[in-house]
Amino acid sequence: EVQLVESGGGLVKPGGSLRLSCAASGFTFSNAWMSWVRQAPGKGLEWVGRIKSKTDGGTTDYAAPVKGRFTISRDDSKNTLYLQMNSLKTEDTAVYYCTTIRWKSFDIWGQGTMVTVSS
Amino acid sequence: QSALTQPASVSGSPGQSITISCTGTSSDVGSYNLVSWYQQHPGKAPKLMIYEGSKRPSGVSNRFSGSKSGNTASLTISGLQAEDEADYYCCSYAGSSTFVFGTGTKVTVL
Repeated sequence: EVQLVESGGGLVKPGGSLRLSCAASGFTFSNAWMSWVRQAPGKGLEWVGRIKSKTDGGTTDYAAPVKGRFTISRDDSKNTLYLQMNSLKTEDTAVYYCTTIRWKSFDIWGQGTMVTVSS
Repeated sequence: QSALTQPASVSGSPGQSITISCTGTSSDVGSYNLVSWYQQHPGKAPKLMIYEGSKRPSGVSNRFSGSKSGNTASLTISGLQAEDEADYYCCSYAGSSTFVFGTGTKVTVL
């Protein structure tokens, strides 16, 4: 069964850091392009960023609101995707989903992990 | 990058057809045939319903169809069923390896 399981969410103060993880199973993770998408409470979906497979260069791209603060990485030996979030702001409060990218769309989604940025 | 514009809500009776619009610009929806649609039930993760404008992933009902004209994409749900009541989001590739989502539409089955 194809599955993505996020972890690492929690409460953090403004200016703090947090690292989210996404464990993948049921497919060849090393071949997959992966993405993070977030959803603030009661709001819509927002694309956060994407990482290509290493065979396609392993490069990353980010949405403007998080560029320079967030970093996406992957460990193909552990089938795990990461989102390192620094200089967190209250507006980063959201459920964070990891997804696979297929056909320039977000194919498989995890259940999400909640990040709350508050003093 | 501004969010794509969707109506806040659309409703219909069981068995009817409804259409949700998704309006972008010539830099996103109008430039690429890469609009996708997602269904999200309350408290659940989104689910891919349509990709590349009009294609359905395996397992998605053929009651869901997508199209595009100019800078506006559309999702049509035919034979509306109670289980279709959910939030729906469009998303477009916006060039330079970026994506933009729509504002979301709440579908109510009367």
